[in-house]
Amino acid sequence: KAGVTQTPRYLIKTRGQQVTLSCSPISGHRSVSWYQQTPGQGLQFLFEYFSETQRNKGNFPGRFSGRQFSNSRSEMNVSTLELGDSALYLCASRSLGTNSYNEQFFGPGTRLTVL
Amino acid sequence: AQSVTQLDSQVPVFEEAPVELRCNYSSSVSVYLFWYVQYPNQGLQLLLKYLSGSTLVKGINGFEAEFNKSQTSFHLRKPSVHISDTAEYFCAVSGNEKLTFGTGTRLTIIP
Repeated sequence: KAGVTQTPRYLIKTRGQQVTLSCSPISGHRSVSWYQQTPGQGLQFLFEYFSETQRNKGNFPGRFSGRQFSNSRSEMNVSTLELGDSALYLCASRSLGTNSYNEQFFGPGTRLTVL
Repeated sequence: AQSVTQLDSQVPVFEEAPVELRCNYSSSVSVYLFWYVQYPNQGLQLLLKYLSGSTLVKGINGFEAEFNKSQTSFHLRKPSVHISDTAEYFCAVSGNEKLTFGTGTRLTIIP
């Protein structure tokens, strides 16, 4: 099976712009989660989508949003970019069972630089 | 609420020496525990996980970890490290929802 793919791998934007990142999960996985990784704050959970619905949300401002399509692909959008949004954005996918933990598989990330 | 503390931000170790990376967690409910590795410019790769059962968990690349409920710890160990183990290691906890990560430990192998 192909792994989790994220596009683009690198992005450079300027303050005030908006950006859309894309994540394609492992085939058959219906849950997609997004994480932000920065040197100062570490790895922080943004949100999780399952069957096109947001299932869980972290503590980020409303400028950060996401969505999931019927084929389970997910996008996250950041509007009005700030310098502090510079980070590695990681996507993870998993299947969701009912009786056991379902491992999350991570993509390589999108490195966003805000100038 | 859940939290994870990785006590060492950097650990230098000579090649072929043993290593222990420390992780303590706190949670009000039963948890699942994980160690992930991140190589430069890459995403996270799962090294091992504790879900239930035996408290000694073996993972990939010769790593193992021991779940200690009374000390709320999940330390990662390897008896003999290799240059290729140079990476950042993250401990994480989950209640089957989001993953909560520690701040990471950078393992540097000295030839």
